[in-house]
Amino acid sequence: DADVTQTPRNRITKTGKRIMLECSQTKGHDRMYWYRQDPGLGLRLIYYSFDVKDINKGEISDGYSVSRQAQAKFSLSLESAIPNQTALYFCATSDPGGSSSYNEQFFGPGTRLTVL
Amino acid sequence: LAKTTQPISMDSYEGQEVNITCSHNNIATNDYITWYQQFPSQGPRFIIQGYKTKVTNEVASLFIPADRKSSTLSLPRVSLSDTAVYYCLVGDMGDDKIIFGKGTRLHILP
Repeated sequence: DADVTQTPRNRITKTGKRIMLECSQTKGHDRMYWYRQDPGLGLRLIYYSFDVKDINKGEISDGYSVSRQAQAKFSLSLESAIPNQTALYFCATSDPGGSSSYNEQFFGPGTRLTVL
Repeated sequence: LAKTTQPISMDSYEGQEVNITCSHNNIATNDYITWYQQFPSQGPRFIIQGYKTKVTNEVASLFIPADRKSSTLSLPRVSLSDTAVYYCLVGDMGDDKIIFGKGTRLHILP
């Protein structure tokens, strides 16, 4: 969905490096999410945010941190990247009770991260 | 959050109707049933949602029996471009954490 963008789209980094993945949205949604997807597996929730002042841990938050700089921006950081964080990362937004359906999330194109 | 169970993979042929069934035995009264579609290297895309009986849109139909312990996503006359992973999710409206699971990998053959 072009309304949700992620940068970079691909990134290769080394073990121990700090890396930030960025997500921006023009949908005006308050809720934003970060997921990771490993080959052959479903999506697992890392962090989510209801608004600029609200941050919540998901299933697998260890080794990650997030920052909600504005309603439209939600960044995911790997403080010290390790190889098992190699995955496809997705950002998503939602607006429950608004114009979209319940539990409807809008996903970005993903960031493919490789940690060597 | 209600747990869902769906087949890991399915194969079908172009032009056929495909039905993917999802079990959710412990669905709660306020839960909705939602299906997403994910193409390779893309984020999931919402395709349909229902609470009971039948829902139909331009993409698919969703059949939900009276006990709501299962649901069936029906894709009419599939094409090669319907090859994707399909996720069944169950959750209350406004649920903060929806669980995607592993989904059903649908492979359409020519």
